[in-house]
Amino acid sequence: NAGVTQTPKFQVLKTGQSMTLQCAQDMNHEYMSWYRQDPGMGLRLIHYSVGAGITDQGEVPNGYNVSRSTTEDFPLRLLSAAPSQTSVYFCASSYSLATTETQYFGPGTRLLVL
Amino acid sequence: AQSVTQLDSHVSVSEGTPVLLRCNYSSSYSPSLFWYVQHPNKGLQLLLKYTTGATLVKGINGFEAEFKKSETSFHLTKPSAHMSDAAEYFCVVSRDTGRRALTFGSGTRLQVQP
Repeated sequence: NAGVTQTPKFQVLKTGQSMTLQCAQDMNHEYMSWYRQDPGMGLRLIHYSVGAGITDQGEVPNGYNVSRSTTEDFPLRLLSAAPSQTSVYFCASSYSLATTETQYFGPGTRLLVL
Repeated sequence: AQSVTQLDSHVSVSEGTPVLLRCNYSSSYSPSLFWYVQHPNKGLQLLLKYTTGATLVKGINGFEAEFKKSETSFHLTKPSAHMSDAAEYFCVVSRDTGRRALTFGSGTRLQVQP
């Protein structure tokens, strides 16, 4: 049981480049989400999904796209990277939408946009 | 709107002394509250959570927190710090709206001196 996995661990992009951050979980969780972590700001929700084929925006969705074709995978796409997207990105999953549910986090992807 | 305030961005203690990490929240309803820990270059891991019932919650590694509704606080404590406790700690409140999301505090970095 690997839990939540993310690739790559670290990435450097040039402004305007695109890339996909991968996230996968093997716990059969319905709910998956993407957060970005910036110094002194905690984590902020980018996008989330409540099941295959269903996604919605979080607090800071601009510049990011997501899709959920399977229960296991939830990739995050940066369409045209900007320096403001330099951050650490975390994928998380939980069994359900219930507010009491524990979220399980991946190890993170560090992104530097030059 | 809900919010979370972690009152100290940095706490330093000596090994074997008590730990207190402070968290205040604001919410218009009865929230679920969590503490997550993040060790360097790792993802977040659940320490403990309060949902309903007993207001004193015990978590992993000897940590506990008390939900005080009258004070809108959820402080994290541990009787005796260990070197392995050095990490960043996040207080989190769960939003009870049609679109589920967690609101993270800005984090408290705990340093443990030998």
